[in-house]
Amino acid sequence: SQQGEEDPQALSIQEGENATMNCSYKTSINNLQWYRQNSGRGLVHLILIRSNEREKHSGRLRVTLDTSKKSSSLLITASRAADTASYFCATRETSGSRLTFGEGTQLTVNP
Amino acid sequence: EAGVTQFPSHSVIEKGQTVTLRCDPISGHDNLYWYRRVMGKEIKFLLHFVKESKQDESGMPNNRFLAERTGGTYSTLKVQPAELEDSGVYFCASSQGWRLAGGHNYEQYFGPGTRLTVT
Repeated sequence: SQQGEEDPQALSIQEGENATMNCSYKTSINNLQWYRQNSGRGLVHLILIRSNEREKHSGRLRVTLDTSKKSSSLLITASRAADTASYFCATRETSGSRLTFGEGTQLTVNP
Repeated sequence: EAGVTQFPSHSVIEKGQTVTLRCDPISGHDNLYWYRRVMGKEIKFLLHFVKESKQDESGMPNNRFLAERTGGTYSTLKVQPAELEDSGVYFCASSQGWRLAGGHNYEQYFGPGTRLTVT
């Protein structure tokens, strides 16, 4: 399996519900970042969590990081139709500066 | 403040032709990265510039790909000759910070990407 693997691959929910996406990785990391990509658009940086942090909030986003399990989760609360997009986690390893991406979770929020 | 810009947004070329992609990073960002996503697979790292120097080019797939960043400002990625498997979306990203300062915890800001189609 790949570094930065997201779960589920696709998620469909109703507006107002919460959406949770998970990410697992294999190596030691410096930080983990979540990005969003709307169809045909570029990647938008959502949030960065450092390896010594366990939880971080930004607006309706909540990210957790468990380095012992090498996993992270992204929670979007009170989802909106505009949240429909692909979400990617990306890890930065301790030994370098590159980001390693997973294949993404396609989130669909139905109005 | 302008974000990362890429040109062109789309390019359709025939196998064997040459294409040059351009990336303008956010002003003042020393770090510039190229990534690509081919045929629905994961986004993969290609290379990393710090100013005008190649810091890490281990992700470049083969010698048909040439990246430059003369003067440490904008960067170009040339594919010559292009092959069918080169089709995909090529992303550029930039971040602040200098190698000596680590720069490892700075967000990478991505451009909109260039969609390359090789026929």
